[in-house]
Amino acid sequence: ETGVTQSPTHLIKTRGQQVTLRCSSQSGHNTVSWYQQALGQGPQFIFQYYREEENGRGNFPPRFSGLQFPNYSSELNVNALELDDSALYLCASVGGSENEQFFGPGTRLTVL
Amino acid sequence: GQNIDQPTEMTATEGAIVQINCTYQTSGFNGLFWYQQHAGEAPTFLSYNVLDGLEEKGRFSSFLSRSKGYSYLLLKELQMKDSASYLCAVRDGAFNDMRFGAGTRLTVKP
Repeated sequence: ETGVTQSPTHLIKTRGQQVTLRCSSQSGHNTVSWYQQALGQGPQFIFQYYREEENGRGNFPPRFSGLQFPNYSSELNVNALELDDSALYLCASVGGSENEQFFGPGTRLTVL
Repeated sequence: GQNIDQPTEMTATEGAIVQINCTYQTSGFNGLFWYQQHAGEAPTFLSYNVLDGLEEKGRFSSFLSRSKGYSYLLLKELQMKDSASYLCAVRDGAFNDMRFGAGTRLTVKP
C-alpha cells in the first residue's frame, strides 16, 4: 500500500468524449506525476504538478490537462478522446528519501 | 533522443539468480530507478542508484555505470512471486519526472 488512491478503477468512454480521472496523494507530498501506460509498455510521463502548478510535461497534446488541489488531490482531464487513449493511467506521489514515485493503483480507461 | 532499453522477456528457475540489464541515453541524469510491476497492478519501487556502483537490498541488488549508460538489477534466490515485469526508469532532469523503459517480463519456473 502506497497511500495513493485513484478513482475510478475502470472507465469506458466513446471517441470524442471527455474524461476526468482523480488521484489522492500521500499527505505531505507536494508533487504528483501522471503517466499513461499502454498494454505491454512502460509508463509514459504526461505531466507533473508541484504546489498546484504544472512544472514539467511530456510529449502529450494540450487536450491532456491537469489540476492539483491544496488537499493533495489532483485530476487528469482528457478532451476529445481518441481510441489510442485507451490505457492504464497512473498517478504517482513523489516523496521518500530518494524522491521516488509512489504509484496509485491506476485507472483503466477504454475508449470505444 | 531519449532511449531506455531492456530485454522484453526473461525466464529463470526458482532458487536461481537472474540479471536484468538496462541501457539508457537521456538528455540529463538525476538517478536511475528499478520498479516491479505485477500484472494488473501499479509499479512498486525496488531500488535507486545515482552514483556508480552496487546497491544491495536483501535479495535485490542494482548496479549503475553512468559513463556507460548502463544498469542492471540482480535478483537472487528467485521465488515464484518474483514473476513480474521489471521497469528501468531514469530521472533525467531537475524535475522529478521519470522516463521508463518498456519493462522486462520475468517468468520464474519451478
